[in-house]
Amino acid sequence: GENVEQHPSTLSVQEGDSAVIKCTYSDSASNYFPWYKQELGKGPQLIIDIRSNVGEKKDQRIAVTLNKTAKHFSLHITETQPEDSAVYFCAGILTGGGNKLTFGTGTQLKVEL
Amino acid sequence: DTGVSQNPRHKITKRGQNVTFRCDPISEHNRLYWYRQTLGQGPEFLTYFQNEAQLEKSRLLSDRFSAERPKGSFSTLEIQRTEQGDSAMYLCASSPTGIGEKLFFGSGTQLSVL
Repeated sequence: GENVEQHPSTLSVQEGDSAVIKCTYSDSASNYFPWYKQELGKGPQLIIDIRSNVGEKKDQRIAVTLNKTAKHFSLHITETQPEDSAVYFCAGILTGGGNKLTFGTGTQLKVEL
Repeated sequence: DTGVSQNPRHKITKRGQNVTFRCDPISEHNRLYWYRQTLGQGPEFLTYFQNEAQLEKSRLLSDRFSAERPKGSFSTLEIQRTEQGDSAMYLCASSPTGIGEKLFFGSGTQLSVL
């Protein structure tokens, strides 16, 4: 069925380095791809999103890129800080999945001092 | 606080008991979603409402699960005859009119079935 695959499952970086998380999707008609950050004991929070008519979007230290041909999209965090440590989820609206988000399995990001 | 509110935050119950969770969405958000999240996994869709109408239910939602949104505002999710496999975080999210994809999540209700 339609799904979203995410990797890596865990990622450790040194403070100040960049972090990249990648997701692939199976539905070529998908048109909306958000990224969520989830801290311990909290619900996921939207941090950035991109639509299929755009190849890249930036918001300060966070950027998302989309390659529709290859059916993958990535989250880039530059100049990482300890407060970036959290679980990050990609998601997509899959046309075979109705009007709802389908989430990836998450990436545990740890930013080390 | 104008965010999505969920109660209770934690629920411990014995197998076979019924439980009910409540979600208060952001005011004027007409869409309300329920998701379930287990440890190490992403949220899995359960059901969603547009105003008071329940428009879609996942096949994950067994007959023991029922959700309501009687006046198009708050919603309840009830699980009857709980099983240990129901232990999970139950997340509620709402989205604004016309921008259905941008979900705003609550902090969830953590259910533990003993």
